[in-house]
Amino acid sequence: DTAVSQTPKYLVTQMGNDKSIKCEQNLGHDTMYWYKQDSKKFLKIMFSYNNKELIINETVPNRFSPKSPDKAHLNLHINSLELGDSAVYFCASSLGAGGQPQHFGDGTRLSIL
Amino acid sequence: QQQVKQSPQSLIVQKGGIPIINCAYENTAFDYFPWYQQFPGKGPALLIAIRPDVSEKKEGRFTISFNKSAKQFSLHIMDSQPGDSATYFCAASSQGGKLIFGQGTELSVKP
Repeated sequence: DTAVSQTPKYLVTQMGNDKSIKCEQNLGHDTMYWYKQDSKKFLKIMFSYNNKELIINETVPNRFSPKSPDKAHLNLHINSLELGDSAVYFCASSLGAGGQPQHFGDGTRLSIL
Repeated sequence: QQQVKQSPQSLIVQKGGIPIINCAYENTAFDYFPWYQQFPGKGPALLIAIRPDVSEKKEGRFTISFNKSAKQFSLHIMDSQPGDSATYFCAASSQGGKLIFGQGTELSVKP
């Protein structure tokens, strides 16, 4: 009964490939997020969806495309992977956007060879 | 203006000590200040949060002190234990806004 679950946990792939990360939450939240944590552990928001609508879109290369099929799911597709994309990607969710407790998944560690 | 500056970068204390982690912000529109705890291989977990209408909040051994005029807030961990060894992040957001994280503090509590 994991609250925010991400798959896969690890992703090792070659430069130039396309990959997807999936996220699901069973908390009944209406807002979901994607964060990137770099090698220095710095956490930065990438995208946020509220009721399936994109509400935060940070300065992220357009090779990254989020998709929210419903309130409980938020996927991240990455095209033409680059070495600099290596990081841990976290999905999170909250009830309401901004100023609300966010619940994080355990992350997807993406390694680009 | 959107930054949250956190210090120290790392901290080592003995069991029973009181580690203190500090954060400072510039954006006066921020009105929500959470602290997150992250263990290796896990996602950040909300520890405690404060809003600017109070100057202190305690939850168990964790206390947030908030100084609105100085635009600073800090986390104190009373009677620290080896199990508290983790990375701690402060963060801030405004209503409807994105959560901005500090750089993180790696805490090690020695037995």
